[in-house]
Amino acid sequence: DAGVIQSPRHEVTEMGQEVTLRCKPISGHDYLFWYRQTMMRGLELLIYFNNNVPIDDSGMPEDRFSAKMPNASFSTLKIQPSEPRDSAVYFCASSSPGTSGTTGYNEQFFGPGTRLTVL
Amino acid sequence: RKEVEQDPGPFNVPEGATVAFNCTYSNSASQSFFWYRQDCRKEPKLLMSVYSSGNEDGRFTAQLNRASQYISLLIRDSKLSDSATYLCVVNYNTDKLIFGTGTRLQVFP
Repeated sequence: DAGVIQSPRHEVTEMGQEVTLRCKPISGHDYLFWYRQTMMRGLELLIYFNNNVPIDDSGMPEDRFSAKMPNASFSTLKIQPSEPRDSAVYFCASSSPGTSGTTGYNEQFFGPGTRLTVL
Repeated sequence: RKEVEQDPGPFNVPEGATVAFNCTYSNSASQSFFWYRQDCRKEPKLLMSVYSSGNEDGRFTAQLNRASQYISLLIRDSKLSDSATYLCVVNYNTDKLIFGTGTRLQVFP
């Protein structure tokens, strides 16, 4: 079975450029999460979707960040304009609620991540 | 204060050693607990859930102390392949998981 797929795996761009990260969750998973990981701050949740609807975007650092999920099999995270402090590894993860009604009791499956460097 | 705190390490141990990591969480309403493992330059993966009564999976034992709000992970008979970062994770009966910054383990021959 295919796991969570992310593209690109590496992105190097210059400050001010637009960056788009892509994610395909595991088929059948209702939840999709976008995380950012840095050495200083660890793994931070940026936004998550349930059934393609954004539920909580309180972790999105500023208006330069936006995320969409047009259908159950595709999501994007966009940074416009990008800044050097956005350099990090961005992970997408998916999960399902199981019988508890929330996905917090269940495993999240992570994609391989996109390593973003903004010069 | 961070919601989930871990000693960053690194813990450097020889093969065959027993090593333990602790993690503390600040919110007493936390409901579910996990340990995730992250290899260098890879994605996090679930290692094991942590149950109130404690649970074991082979060489790995997880314990939960709700009164003191800490979680532990014990690794017996360490292998070189155990070298990784171990992330402590809690949930407050919501959809969101709160990750600690991780404890790095290096097992040497």
